[in-house]
Amino acid sequence: TQLLEQSPQFLSIQEGENLTVYCNSSSVFSSLQWYRQEPGEGPVLLVTVVTGGEVKKLKRLTFQFGDARKDSSLHITAAQPGDTGLYLCAGAGSSNTGKLIFGQGTTLQVKP
Amino acid sequence: DAGITQSPRHKVTETGTPVTLRCHQTENHRYMYWYRQDPGHGLRLIHYSYGVKDTDKGEVSDGYSVSRSKTEDFLLTLESATSSQTSVYFCAIKTSGSVYEQYFGPGTRLTVT
Repeated sequence: TQLLEQSPQFLSIQEGENLTVYCNSSSVFSSLQWYRQEPGEGPVLLVTVVTGGEVKKLKRLTFQFGDARKDSSLHITAAQPGDTGLYLCAGAGSSNTGKLIFGQGTTLQVKP
Repeated sequence: DAGITQSPRHKVTETGTPVTLRCHQTENHRYMYWYRQDPGHGLRLIHYSYGVKDTDKGEVSDGYSVSRSKTEDFLLTLESATSSQTSVYFCAIKTSGSVYEQYFGPGTRLTVT
């Protein structure tokens, strides 16, 4: 059974601080997605990483896929209150069913 | 916006009653998914569909059934609701192509009393 361990589960920081969220597995994934979810809404796709070692940047957010495609990280620089939310990583296997395995999520609170 | 709607958005029902949740998409995607979200568990796959009348189980399928008679609609049924099925239910679609990306609907909050 594939599992994705996401850490930390909760993070409360001050505006302007940097943070990193980790997503780790013993399984290899064909791709990995990061989502952000706000209360009462569905998850919104932020990025998809496919190639081992790949780094993608989305404004102040930097996503990295591990060389072995078993882990990923999300780094936020100079966090803002608008970054508050639940961050989810999800890994896709090699089958064409598109089934995703989700991490437990990281709840981020950025205080002004 | 992947054109996904879910209905109802909120529902309270009693233990033992049947419940059907509806997911509707407007963009003719082949793959559709039902997840449930509970604190500390992320999202867990209940069932998915890879075409009209083609469905398969996910990791938490017990107590749930699905049907897909049209491309645009994917129904999730709880035959006899239990309190353990109190959750937020999300529908998703998968875009076509070599990279698998899923887009989610707004969710249905179901409470079983």
